[in-house]
Amino acid sequence: LAKTTQPISMDSYEGQEVNITCSHNNIATNDYITWYQQFPSQGPRFIIQGYKTKVTNEVASLFIPADRKSSTLSLPRVSLSDTAVYYCLPREVGYSSASKIIFGSGTRLSIRP
Amino acid sequence: DAGVTQSPTHLIKTRGQQVTLRCSPKSGHDTVSWYQQALGQGPQFIFQYYEEEERQRGNFPDRFSGHQYPNYSSELNVNALLLGDSALYLCASSGRDGGYEQYFGPGTRLTVT
Repeated sequence: LAKTTQPISMDSYEGQEVNITCSHNNIATNDYITWYQQFPSQGPRFIIQGYKTKVTNEVASLFIPADRKSSTLSLPRVSLSDTAVYYCLPREVGYSSASKIIFGSGTRLSIRP
Repeated sequence: DAGVTQSPTHLIKTRGQQVTLRCSPKSGHDTVSWYQQALGQGPQFIFQYYEEEERQRGNFPDRFSGHQYPNYSSELNVNALLLGDSALYLCASSGRDGGYEQYFGPGTRLTVT
């Protein structure tokens, strides 16, 4: 299973763009990279997933270089409500993928006014 | 459309007791996974149920058991509670194809004294 490494914490200010990078050096060929967001006392919420290059949705963008050894979650113009823990995790997409969801400690993002 | 629901919200038990936590999956989902999240850590996979059977299991002792009903709802049972079992217990449901997106419930906060 691919091990991921993320910064323990990050601070930023409202209106700024925040980029959180995750390292996954030994990611498997059929693994996607998935990012989750978790607010205190709530369950994680799926944000975005990608395999290679760039993926964008209404919440964030995900950049994955050609070697796929890292990925960067980009949050445009953050607000106070983006304060949360962000998890990067490789996921094998398929029938029995649940047991391969390994959450690390995540990145605790704090947004200041 | 109701999302994943869990009950109870909070629970306090004494060491040695047994506890049952309940989860109703998101409409249209047939797979339920359970996670344990200790304070300050990422969720840890306990097991997954599909078609009323345990399909995958993480590194948890046999004190942790579960059940899935024909309507896809699920229970997590923990016997002989230890202080270290104090955590947020999360339930997640996913679709028939085991697709990449897992929807998490709000969790049950278990405190063992």
